[in-house]
Amino acid sequence: AQSVAQPEDQVNVAEGNPLTVKCTYSVSGNPYLFWYVQYPNRGLQFLLKYITGDNLVKGSYGFEAEFNKSQTSFHLKKPSALVSDSALYFCAVRDGTDKLIFGTGTRLQVFP
Amino acid sequence: DTAVSQTPKYLVTQMGNDKSIKCEQNLGHDTMYWYKQDSKKFLKIMFSYNNKELIINETVPNRFSPKSPDKAHLNLHINSLELGDSAVYFCASSLAAGTSFTGELFFGEGSRLTVL
Repeated sequence: AQSVAQPEDQVNVAEGNPLTVKCTYSVSGNPYLFWYVQYPNRGLQFLLKYITGDNLVKGSYGFEAEFNKSQTSFHLKKPSALVSDSALYFCAVRDGTDKLIFGTGTRLQVFP
Repeated sequence: DTAVSQTPKYLVTQMGNDKSIKCEQNLGHDTMYWYKQDSKKFLKIMFSYNNKELIINETVPNRFSPKSPDKAHLNLHINSLELGDSAVYFCASSLAAGTSFTGELFFGEGSRLTVL
């Protein structure tokens, strides 16, 4: 079965600094990987996805993610963090044809 | 105009009661889902419907019964509520299912169910 792991419960970063939220995956076949963000008391919002092609995927709000096949990772990055980026971030993988399997989430806290 | 809307947003009820949560999407999507998010924020799929047809039914107690009267609506009825059913239930939709599934889900804002 496909799965993703988010090794960090929380990531703290100062505003203006680069941020990385980690995700590793375990899949059979080609991975279809996703990042979603959840702001407090809101539903999840799609940020970006990797299906095939360039290993660096650009998404919403200035976020990007780097697919690394040898390390089975799909880390979320942003060059300069904003306080408003503080939220819960979920990595996900497509399982079969119709399901997304989500990781346990990483809380990003950006301090002014 | 809210794309995926759920009602009610909050639901507090006693053990043993029956309750329903409604979901509607105005995106013209073919596929709708119910996800459960527990107190640790773990998100798990429960059901999925494509054009009113059930396509995903995870290991969920049969006290949970989804119903899709049309492809824009997916309701969740829960019988004999238990303490462990307390969670946030998210409805979501996607453009298509099967080989056309893109993985891009549009979520509602959630319905927080508290069972006392």
